[in-house]
Amino acid sequence: DVVLTQSPVSLSVTLGDQASISCRSSQSLEYSDGNTYLQWYLQKPGQSPHVLIYKISNRFSGVPNRFIGSGSGTDFTLKISRVEPEDLGVYFCFQATHDPFTFGSGTKLEIK
Amino acid sequence: VQLVESGGGLVQPGKSLKLSCSASGFTFSSYGMHWIRQPPGKGLDWVAYISSSSGTVYADAVKGRFTISRDNAKNTLYLQLNSLKSEDTAIYYCARGGVMDAWGQGASVTVSS
Repeated sequence: DVVLTQSPVSLSVTLGDQASISCRSSQSLEYSDGNTYLQWYLQKPGQSPHVLIYKISNRFSGVPNRFIGSGSGTDFTLKISRVEPEDLGVYFCFQATHDPFTFGSGTKLEIK
Repeated sequence: VQLVESGGGLVQPGKSLKLSCSASGFTFSSYGMHWIRQPPGKGLDWVAYISSSSGTVYADAVKGRFTISRDNAKNTLYLQLNSLKSEDTAIYYCARGGVMDAWGQGASVTVSS
């Protein structure tokens, strides 16, 4: 199975600063159709998760442009520029390239 | 778009349970659907996926014990959980489509004697 390793486990950021989360895969996530099915989700406290980014770098509808996904192959990054209070929660990467699909273990973002 | 899970509860090890996810606000038959679970205080654990044409994929931990299915006439997704173990205790979420762009509020399953 594909293992997604997220780092750091937790992150404490000052409001207005940038945050960066890494997601490394145990194998390439490029599918045979040329797409890379790597997504990012945020779970705010007490809520169900919601999607931020799909296929590495595509922001879902309504997601602020301060969320930026990048990467290729096995290394992926989610950057949050100018962190705001509503960004706190746990961020998960997810791959749907290889069966079975898998989540990363999560990165908890706290506000200093 | 709304997804509402039901059918959770307390069940003894080795027993069975069937979860439902009622969908509304979109053409259910056109979308693949996922089940994802979250053990208490832990991260997300992907469980199963069913495509719009009813092809299925399972996590290794549940293969052979859980069955995902759908009834397009009833706009409902199901997860049959058999041979339950204590490690299956979790909140179970359904989510829409390959991107999982809509999630339900979750159904709690507790496996304990």
